[in-house]
Amino acid sequence: GENVEQHPSTLSVQEGDSAVIKCTYSDSASNYFPWYKQELGKRPQLIIDIRSNVGEKKDQRIAVTLNKTAKHFSLHITETQPEDSAVYFCAASKTDSWGKLQFGAGTQVVVTP
Amino acid sequence: EAGVTQSPTHLIKTRGQQATLRCSPISGHTSVYWYQQALGLGLQFLLWYDEGEERNRGNFPPRCSGRRFPNYSSELNVNALELEDSALYLCASSQPGGTGGLFFGEGSRLTVL
Repeated sequence: GENVEQHPSTLSVQEGDSAVIKCTYSDSASNYFPWYKQELGKRPQLIIDIRSNVGEKKDQRIAVTLNKTAKHFSLHITETQPEDSAVYFCAASKTDSWGKLQFGAGTQVVVTP
Repeated sequence: EAGVTQSPTHLIKTRGQQATLRCSPISGHTSVYWYQQALGLGLQFLLWYDEGEERNRGNFPPRCSGRRFPNYSSELNVNALELEDSALYLCASSQPGGTGGLFFGEGSRLTVL
């Protein structure tokens, strides 16, 4: 089955700097890659997703890149703010089982003022 | 518009008892998913109902089962509770085919003593 690895497990950045989280996946048939943000005690919230027919997607300060050949995808957060502090999860699934997301272990991001 | 609603928010049980968790999807969403998030861990797929029919099951014991209802709401039942069943149980919903991504509820925190 699919296996998703996520790095780093913790990331501390100064406010205003950029943060990058990387994930690799094992199943070449995977074609949907969402990212979720989970604040302490809150629900995971979908912040951005990408499908395998594109290599990059951007939404304001966040962007996701996908390298299908290398089977890895990354989340980029620019101009980080304290409210970006949370646990971020990457995930992967494929067309015939889009709801069966395989999640990474998560990255605790701490943005210090 | 109301999001995914789950009840109860917290549930305390003892070993051997049974727990029932409930989920109502976002209006218009016909796919419902259940995930387990143990403390400090990522999300593990449990169960998926698509258009009311069971579509996929994760690798969890048979004492964990689900029900779905004509209005696309769902229940997750865990029988013969064990200590390791203590976790946050998250329900998510989506439009048919996963269009737009999965949206999670706030979860039900199950504690087994």
